[in-house]
Amino acid sequence: EVQLLESGGGLVQPGGSLRLSCAASRFTFSDYAMNWFRQAPGKGLGLEWVSAISGSGGSTWYPDSVQGRFTISRDNSKNTLYLQVNSLRAEDTAVYYCAKDRWQWPGGGIDYWGQGALVTVSS
Amino acid sequence: QSVLTQPPSVSAAPGQKVTISCSGINSNIGNNYVSWYQQLPGTAPKLLIYDNNERPSGIPDRFSGSKSGTSATLGITGLQTGDEADYYCGTWDSSLYIYVFGTGTKVTVL
Repeated sequence: EVQLLESGGGLVQPGGSLRLSCAASRFTFSDYAMNWFRQAPGKGLGLEWVSAISGSGGSTWYPDSVQGRFTISRDNSKNTLYLQVNSLRAEDTAVYYCAKDRWQWPGGGIDYWGQGALVTVSS
Repeated sequence: QSVLTQPPSVSAAPGQKVTISCSGINSNIGNNYVSWYQQLPGTAPKLLIYDNNERPSGIPDRFSGSKSGTSATLGITGLQTGDEADYYCGTWDSSLYIYVFGTGTKVTVL
């Protein structure tokens, strides 16, 4: 069974930065696009996609809400996905999920999700 | 920023059927495959339906999906208490080049 294990979450001050990692195993990592999603705690319903990267790592996609502050990257030699988050704001507080796409490019749907990493932005 | 519209909640008695609608536009649902996800309390989402109506291995046939035009529907028959969860639809938007997800629907078994 595919495994995705996030790490790097924690408490960060407003304006600070953080790098999330996702260690992937039990599938050919470079064959699939990868994504990051987030979900604000205690806010009821809501799942927000925040970035995607192609299997090769050569193409990336972001929604306007995080463009310029978030950077997705991957190291296919280490089977690891990253999300660099800068200029953090209180509204970035959320559980961040690493998620495997069904295709080499995003759009095929997400077939596996990590357990999530909590990022709390607070002074 | 949810782009796809879902009803906030649906409910039914055990053994009954519920349907959840998901409404979008041409550039997302109209021209791309729709997936559905189940999120049990305190856990990560789980894929229920992909490519509009396909079930991954291990997903019971009580769950079904369909798509027509710019709308999609998830059906759950033989409702069980274990089906109480939040359900999300999702698809790619080929004009904006982003994933878009629904607002989410909470299913309650009465």
